[in-house]
Amino acid sequence: DIQMTQFPSSLSASVGDRVTITCRASQSINAFLNWYQQKPGRAPKVLIYAASSLQSGVPSRFSGSGSETDFTLTITNLQPEDFATYFCQQSFRTPLTFGGGTKVE
Amino acid sequence: QVQLQESGPGLVKPSQTLSLTCTVSGASISSNRHYWGWIRQHPGKGLEWLGYIYSGGSPYYNPSLKGRLSIGVDTSASQVSLKLNSMTAADSAVYYCVRAQTVELVFDSWGQGTLVTVSS
Repeated sequence: DIQMTQFPSSLSASVGDRVTITCRASQSINAFLNWYQQKPGRAPKVLIYAASSLQSGVPSRFSGSGSETDFTLTITNLQPEDFATYFCQQSFRTPLTFGGGTKVE
Repeated sequence: QVQLQESGPGLVKPSQTLSLTCTVSGASISSNRHYWGWIRQHPGKGLEWLGYIYSGGSPYYNPSLKGRLSIGVDTSASQVSLKLNSMTAADSAVYYCVRAQTVELVFDSWGQGTLVTVSS
C-alpha cells in the first residue's frame, strides 16, 4: 500500500494567516493527489484534485502544488470557516489511502 | 445536485453482518463517469477507503478487509449497498457512502455518514 504522511498533525493559526500543510507519499504518485476539508460532525469535502486543480465552488484562497512524492496545500488569508481538519488522499493506485490529517486550530 | 443518504442499523453484534444501503438522488447511478462506494472513519481518526464499484463492472475492495466486504449497485432503485461480515469492535466507525470521478478518483460527493457500533 502507498503510505501517506501528513505534517504537521496540528497547527495553530489566526485569521488572515497563510497556512501550509504538507503531504508525503511513500512512493511516486505523479500528481494523483487530492485534498479534503472536514469539519466536526460533517463529511469531508473535496478542495483540490489532481494536486493543483481547484474543485468547483471552492474559494481561490485554497491552492495545491507538488508532484511525485511531495505535495502542499496552502490556504492564504485564513478565514474563520477554514478552521477544520485537512486530509490528503492518493488516487494513483488501489487501495486508495489517506493521510492522517492536519487539524488547523 | 447529487445527494447520498446512508441507512442501516446503528448497532451490530459481534460476528454479525453489517448491511448498509445508500440511496442516490440527483445523479444517475448508471453513469460511466463515476464509481460508487464506501469509506469509513473510526471516531477521532483518519479515513479508510473500503471499496467501490462501477455500474456494470466489477468492484474494487481494500485488501485489508480480507474478503469480508461486498459492494453492490441496484440501478433500478438507485442504491449502493455494503455488506461487511464477521463484524468486530474494530469495525465500529462512521460509514460514508461516496461517489468518485472515474478519471481522477477523487471523492466529489459524500453522504452524511452513519455511525455503526459493534457491541453485544
